[in-house]
Amino acid sequence: KAGVTQTPRYLIKTRGQQVTLSCSPISGHRSVSWYQQTPGQGLQFLFEYFSETQRNKGNFPGRFSGRQFSNSRSEMNVSTLELGDSALYLCASSAWTGTDTQYFGPGTRLTVL
Amino acid sequence: AQKITQTQPGMFVQEKEAVTLDCTYDTSDPSYGLFWYKQPSSGEMIFLIYQGSYDQQNATEGRYSLNFQKARKSANLVISASQLGDSAMYFCATQRGTGKLIFGQGTTLQVKP
Repeated sequence: KAGVTQTPRYLIKTRGQQVTLSCSPISGHRSVSWYQQTPGQGLQFLFEYFSETQRNKGNFPGRFSGRQFSNSRSEMNVSTLELGDSALYLCASSAWTGTDTQYFGPGTRLTVL
Repeated sequence: AQKITQTQPGMFVQEKEAVTLDCTYDTSDPSYGLFWYKQPSSGEMIFLIYQGSYDQQNATEGRYSLNFQKARKSANLVISASQLGDSAMYFCATQRGTGKLIFGQGTTLQVKP
């Protein structure tokens, strides 16, 4: 089985721009979670989607949003980028309930200049 | 609220020796799970091992085992016969709601030849 894939792997943007990151879960997995990883704050949960519905949300401003499609692929969007949004963005998929083991993708490294 | 504490920012181990990475947790949930992930310098989070709070035995997966002491709220990862490829960052995590993992700050392990 193919693992979780994320595109793009690297991204450079400037302040004020917006960005969309994509995540394709493991085949058959229906839950997708997103995390932000920075040296200062560590790994922080952004949100989780299941069957196209957001079921859980972390403590991030409204500039961070996401969605999930009927094939379980997910996207996250960050609008009006700030320097502090520079981070590794990881997505993870799990089989069913969202409490199952999460399997992570390789991440998208976003740099905001 | 759930919290994971990893008190060892960095560890060194000689190749072929065993090493223990510490993790303590704080949760009020009667049922919970604990996870360990490995993050090489490439960035991808690799699932290693899972322990459920009601599991009677400590979890093992190949060279990885979990020393689970429920009364002490600790879930230490033991890596036996360390290999150079084990050099990475290791994270302990627990689940909080659907699809949300709470991570510790991580421990950097370096295996010396």
